[in-house]
Amino acid sequence: NAGVMQNPRHLVRRRGQEARLRCSPMKGHSHVYWYRQLPEEGLKFMVYLQKENIIDESGMPKERFSAEFPKEGPSILRIQQVVRGDSAAYFCASSQSEGSGNTIYFGEGSWLTVV
Amino acid sequence: AQRVTQPEKLLSVFKGAPVELKCNYSYSGSPELFWYVQYSRQRLQLLLRHISRESIKGFTADLNKGETSFHLKKPFAQEEDSAMYYCALSGGSNYKLTFGKGTLLTVNP
Repeated sequence: NAGVMQNPRHLVRRRGQEARLRCSPMKGHSHVYWYRQLPEEGLKFMVYLQKENIIDESGMPKERFSAEFPKEGPSILRIQQVVRGDSAAYFCASSQSEGSGNTIYFGEGSWLTVV
Repeated sequence: AQRVTQPEKLLSVFKGAPVELKCNYSYSGSPELFWYVQYSRQRLQLLLRHISRESIKGFTADLNKGETSFHLKKPFAQEEDSAMYYCALSGGSNYKLTFGKGTLLTVNP
């Protein structure tokens, strides 16, 4: 099992451009989570998705950020019109199910730098 | 509101010495606490969780509700323990983890 796969690992965007981060969950996992880690900070929850559904997006910024997990293909975190403050590490995680006792597995992260 | 505090950004010990990474939390209900570890150039991985009461790689952590702490301990540190350690809390929702800022542990030979 290859684990949670994220790409790209590193992405550089100019202010105003769009950033797309992709995440393929572990095989057999249908629950996907995105976390963001700003410099010098801990990881912060952004969004929880199941196939074709957003379950909890309480951690997502209200504007410019969106996430999807289509029936086929990876989960996508999309950031439109990026600003310097979006520079961060974005971690995807997946799990087989939700609930106590369930283990969440993290990807290696995607580092976004906005110049 | 949930909060996790790891007061030490950096911790350096010698091989064979005991190590304790501190974690304090703030949560009004009954939390579930975790320790995650990130070795150099690798992904974040679960080290242990308090409900399992297990010892992984010689590490243990006890939830102290009176002191609202979940410190990670190992009696004899090894060089391969050098990594970034994150304490995390789940307040009822298993997926919505609140992380501390992490402690970088360096074990010197």
